[in-house]
Amino acid sequence: DAEITQSPRHKITETGRQVTLACHQTWNHNNMFWYRQDLGHGLRLIHYSYGVQDTNKGEVSDGYSVSRSNTEDLPLTLESAASSQTSVYFCASSETAAPGELFFGEGSRLTVL
Amino acid sequence: QKEVEQDPGPLSVPEGAIVSLNCTYSNSAFQYFMWYRQYSRKGPELLMYTYSSGNKEDGRFTAQVDKSSKYISLFIRDSQPSDSATYLCATEYDAGKSTFGDGTTLTVKP
Repeated sequence: DAEITQSPRHKITETGRQVTLACHQTWNHNNMFWYRQDLGHGLRLIHYSYGVQDTNKGEVSDGYSVSRSNTEDLPLTLESAASSQTSVYFCASSETAAPGELFFGEGSRLTVL
Repeated sequence: QKEVEQDPGPLSVPEGAIVSLNCTYSNSAFQYFMWYRQYSRKGPELLMYTYSSGNKEDGRFTAQVDKSSKYISLFIRDSQPSDSATYLCATEYDAGKSTFGDGTTLTVKP
């Protein structure tokens, strides 16, 4: 079965360290997204990609970067982790022909000490 | 003002009750409206999806969109303990990008 997987599922890091969260999908979807979920803020869009070599900033992109070298993967990098980036991060994918139908991963819970 | 506002809850109902979950949105250009269900420590999963105004029914679930009042609702009939989850309303605003409400946590007690 097609799926979307995130790793690691849990990570604890220190302020200032670089962190990369992996996202891999096997649906062959063109669109991929990274969201963060915090109490009181819901899901907020960090970065998104509509295809290989395409990346775009979302609502809360400061301190984050992504790259898209193939269809299946969209890793999210925190260049210098800050305590404000403690959150649960969700990767999602969708097909252009199916607006609104996002498929989410299980989430990566990141704690920055 | 957030683009999508959701009744915050939490909501606790007895098994078998009818549940109403509600959201409002601000941008009249929104055309696609979704409800996602999220179990604890899991990713959201798409529950219902509607285009423009009207109702859509799927088993015990009915999604309703009223574009004149910018109101989105999800009704759950004969609620079950397995329906206990957080429900997120969302609208798609541009080519796959969605904006979400903060979620309403529902508990259905046996």
